Amino acid sequence: RKEVEQDPGPFNVPEGATVAFNCTYSNSASQSFFWYRQDCRKEPKLLMSVYSSGNEDGRFTAQLNRASQYISLLIRDSKLSDSATYLCVVTFGAAGNKLTFGGGTRVLVKP
Amino acid sequence: ETGVTQTPRHLVMGMTNKKSLKCEQHLGHNAMYWYKQSAKKPLELMFVYNFKEQTENNSVPSRFSPECPNSSHLFLHLHTLQPEDSALYLCASSQDGTGGYTFGSGTRLTVV
Repeated sequence: RKEVEQDPGPFNVPEGATVAFNCTYSNSASQSFFWYRQDCRKEPKLLMSVYSSGNEDGRFTAQLNRASQYISLLIRDSKLSDSATYLCVVTFGAAGNKLTFGGGTRVLVKP
Repeated sequence: ETGVTQTPRHLVMGMTNKKSLKCEQHLGHNAMYWYKQSAKKPLELMFVYNFKEQTENNSVPSRFSPECPNSSHLFLHLHTLQPEDSALYLCASSQDGTGGYTFGSGTRLTVV
């Protein structure tokens, strides 16, 4: 089983619609959770951290379910510029400094 | 310069060549990382340095040799690589491994 697993997509989303996708992780000792965004041929960039209580940043909402070991990302009112690959990232280790990436979920927002 | 800068952006090398990738972070972070991103595969952690000390070597072949002379600079020395080593090599930094990580733009390496 992969340590961090994501549906690769692509998720084809009409502009203005809502899209949501999950990421599952296998290590119950995982400590921190993030969503990164990666545009084609560019480096990953931090989109948002994921907190136990769930958190929202504008049109983006992230949630963590420790019991079922998954995190989710919801994008409301999708914009064309939201088209990207969304990487789920989980950390664990003594210093919480070992990042493990999922394979990414590709989102394509279309007019 | 701000953030994490990597040079060169692109590199083509033969299997018998020796080259080095350079990474510099201007964020005052104390941890630096090398990641490899191959086509259609998740990012793979290669090396972790905390306060200049290597704390993680993720079973990376010895043809990849990291060097961290100080907490702001990280190198990846390459020698006798294989074509399957062609990938995007990303450097990242963080403060104590907490919070988000900042990535450099990467070096796109092609081994011929």
